[in-house]
Amino acid sequence: ETGVTQTPRHLVMGMTNKKSLKCEQHLGHNAMYWYKQSAKKPLELMFVYSLEERVENNSVPSRFSPECPNSSHLFLHLHTLQPEDSALYLCASSQDAGRFNQPQHFGDGTRLSIL
Amino acid sequence: AQTVTQSQPEMSVQEAETVTLSCTYDTSESDYYLFWYKQPPSRQMILVIRQEAYKQQNATENRFSVNFQKAAKSFSLKISDSQLGDAAMYFCAYRSADYGQNFVFGPGTRLSVLP
Repeated sequence: ETGVTQTPRHLVMGMTNKKSLKCEQHLGHNAMYWYKQSAKKPLELMFVYSLEERVENNSVPSRFSPECPNSSHLFLHLHTLQPEDSALYLCASSQDAGRFNQPQHFGDGTRLSIL
Repeated sequence: AQTVTQSQPEMSVQEAETVTLSCTYDTSESDYYLFWYKQPPSRQMILVIRQEAYKQQNATENRFSVNFQKAAKSFSLKISDSQLGDAAMYFCAYRSADYGQNFVFGPGTRLSVLP
């Protein structure tokens, strides 16, 4: 496999459920990102991990909990979500080692629907 | 904080014609990078082209080229000989050259290609 893989592709859950989104990158990158993409809104950066340490948390509610066990894997744990959390969640990775012209590589996203 | 603006929510172009998508950004920095990403209905964000701010020469990638006007803080994307497969959302993105700064995306332009 190559690139950035996200699972599941679609997820429907109730407001009281607990689920996790998974992201895996096979590019040897050292930074990983979670974005939220809602209709008619710009991409919202949620979390950034660089060398497995969280370096950015953009005022994301605590019902979203990221986890980065190693440089290839990134999870987003979800619990007690709200209807407004329904969106496409995109994972991305990049090679950050002073080379800031390197683009991000994105997965296909997980389409999340909260009932 | 940097911002990225794409003033055209939707654009359309006839197949084989040329179209230009606009992007402006606001920054006080002199060193940064600019990117255009394409997101087709398949959802995966794909890098189209990148530009380093210190380079005066406009970047080109096959049918895609940019018009980078640093003083005007403008970074437009020109697509020549448009093809049906070019239909997608196009996002302009900015990244500072400062360590720890992450990507800032514009709201996107939806491009339709008419046969």
